[in-house]
Amino acid sequence: DADVTQTPRNRITKTGKRIMLECSQTKGHDRMYWYRQDPGLGLRLIYYSFDVKDINKGEISDGYSVSRQAQAKFSLSLESAIPNQTALYFCATSDLYQGEETQYFGPGTRLLVL
Amino acid sequence: EDQVTQSPEALRLQEGESSSLNCSYTVSGLRGLFWYRQDPGKGPEFLFTLYSAGEEKEKERLKATLTKKESFLHITAPKPEDSATYLCAVDRAGSNYKLTFGKGTLLTVNP
Repeated sequence: DADVTQTPRNRITKTGKRIMLECSQTKGHDRMYWYRQDPGLGLRLIYYSFDVKDINKGEISDGYSVSRQAQAKFSLSLESAIPNQTALYFCATSDLYQGEETQYFGPGTRLLVL
Repeated sequence: EDQVTQSPEALRLQEGESSSLNCSYTVSGLRGLFWYRQDPGKGPEFLFTLYSAGEEKEKERLKATLTKKESFLHITAPKPEDSATYLCAVDRAGSNYKLTFGKGTLLTVNP
């Protein structure tokens, strides 16, 4: 079974629609992240959460919001989708142990905004 | 601002032809440098973390090394299944463990 799951895996939506991408993990990690990946731009951090009550903006948070429903669940919402939000979205989790941290990624959600 | 530059953007090798990928970084106070492998349509898969200059880590045909300004991912006698995009990322001390990623190197190994 996958440690980090994302749903849906693919989504097509129209401009102006609200959509939610979900991430669940069974690794027991406190820290969760949302990234987007665009061709030629690499991975960029949207939001991150160090526990249920600690949510922080990343590099490109405008147009996005998140919800940390539980330690294992972190959702990303696009309040009003626009075409330049078309991208591959990844959730990641990590745990901090003795000053060392490694992020583990989910399989991704491919989003197309028409 | 932290910067990570990977080169080349793409590399094509014949099976068995060893080579290296480069990751140059500019960061004030490196806490760790990470290498990931990403297959098409999949999430990045963790390979290595390096923490100090001179450190080396190996995994099968891959060896990662670190200096004060760059990291190399050496691939010895690659096989077609090593074909993937290899991503480098840095974690700066004081950044709250936020990673800055490079754009990746697309490696293709032909049989």
